[in-house]
Amino acid sequence: GAVVSQHPSWVICKSGTSVKIECRSLDFQATTMFWYRQFPKQSLMLMATSNEGSKATYEQGVEKDKFLINHASLTLSTLTVTSAHPEDSSFYICSVQRGGDTQYFGPGTRLTVL
Amino acid sequence: AQSVTQLDSHVSVSEGTPVLLRCNYSSSYSPSLFWYVQHPNKGLQLLLKYTSAATLVKGINGFEAEFKKSETSFHLTKPSAHMSDAAEYFCVVSVYFGNEKLTFGTGTRLTIIP
Repeated sequence: GAVVSQHPSWVICKSGTSVKIECRSLDFQATTMFWYRQFPKQSLMLMATSNEGSKATYEQGVEKDKFLINHASLTLSTLTVTSAHPEDSSFYICSVQRGGDTQYFGPGTRLTVL
Repeated sequence: AQSVTQLDSHVSVSEGTPVLLRCNYSSSYSPSLFWYVQHPNKGLQLLLKYTSAATLVKGINGFEAEFKKSETSFHLTKPSAHMSDAAEYFCVVSVYFGNEKLTFGTGTRLTIIP
């Protein structure tokens, strides 16, 4: 399977600042990347899907102006949480996919907004 | 629309005894079904997947699951639990609408008693 990294693994920021999270596919050219959000003791919820070179498709209820996704290459996608607030504190997980194959998940990034 | 119900939020078994984690699904289409495991501070790992081939699916680490269409179930089993099996397990249903969309269950935390 693919090896997926996320950076940073843990970030604390002040309310009102923006935070960028990177998702890299280390050994795999991913045509599609996904971003999920996981609240404590809850399941993963799909936030958006992005295909390389295209704009991301956001799930209903996810603010695209707040959660900016850039899928710059076949190995890199970034999620920027703009003007973060405490309610944005969560665990953000990315996954990568090539064609219709299995999704491979990153280790996640824990965001805490003070 | 598709959904997944994991019937137990927490399961405890003694080491060496069988494991049963229950999952029921709902899907308007022929689904693909997965079980993922999440260890603390690690990414989601695919245990096994069903994609309309054999109804009994064997996965990694001795786990297997049986797809039962009449019961809309996809329960995960293992004959003998090991301490290293302690983790969070997610049942997942997949459908394709251009891109793949995974819908996760709420998870079952498996505890192994020495």
